[in-house]
Amino acid sequence: EAQVTQNPRYLITVTGKKLTVTCSQNMNHEYMSWYRQDPGLGLRQIYYSMNVEVTDKGDVPEGYKVSRKEKRNFPLILESPSPNQTSLYFCASSLLGSFSNQPQHFGDGTRLSIL
Amino acid sequence: AQSVTQPDIHITVSEGASLELRCNYSYGATPYLFWYVQSPGQGLQLLLKYFSGDTLVQGIKGFEAEFKRSQSSFNLRKPSVHWSDAAEYFCAVGASGGYNKLIFGAGTRLAVHP
Repeated sequence: EAQVTQNPRYLITVTGKKLTVTCSQNMNHEYMSWYRQDPGLGLRQIYYSMNVEVTDKGDVPEGYKVSRKEKRNFPLILESPSPNQTSLYFCASSLLGSFSNQPQHFGDGTRLSIL
Repeated sequence: AQSVTQPDIHITVSEGASLELRCNYSYGATPYLFWYVQSPGQGLQLLLKYFSGDTLVQGIKGFEAEFKRSQSSFNLRKPSVHWSDAAEYFCAVGASGGYNKLIFGAGTRLAVHP
C-alpha cells in the first residue's frame, strides 16, 4: 500500500531535549516536505526536499533541521525544542517537485507537545 | 504574495442539506488550486484539484468545485451532505517557484447534524 509513515504519532517532551520525527515513503517519490499545522493558520511549510541531498527552507524553518540521505526518508530534527514548536506536524511526498497530476500524499501527522 | 482565505471557520449543516465552502485566493497568474479534507486523527486527503481547462472540477466523495477567475474563488460544493463528511476542509494554492509547494487556507471545520 502506498503510504507516508510518520513516527511517533504523539510525543510529549521538555524544552531543550533534542528530538527527531521520522518520515518514510514507499512510493519512490522525489519530493518530500514538512508542514506544521496550527489553529487558525492552516498548514505552513517548514522544509522541503526536491531529491536526495537537496533540501531547502520553507516559510517557517527556524528551529528545525532536516536531512535527505535516502530517497525514502526525510526526518525532521528539533535540536533544542521550545514550547512554540508545540504543533501538529505533517510529512508529505509527491512524485515530482513540480505540480503535475500526481497529488501530494500526506502522513497521518505527529502531535508534538513541548513543555 | 500568494495567499488563501477561507472566510468560514466553522459551518454546521443538517444531513442531506447542500454545502458550499468558500475559498478565495490571491495569485498573480493562473493558479493551481486544491481542496483537501482532514478527518480527525488523519492526514490530508486530496478531494479535487484544478490546473486548467474546465472550470467545474469533479472530485471524490461527490464533491465538486468551481474556479471563477473574476472572483478569485474556488468554492467547494456538495449537493447532499452525509454525516461522514464532518471534517476539516482546506483550500490550497500551488505556489510559484517551480516546486511543489502548497499555500493553505486556515481551514473550515464542518459539523453535520443528523
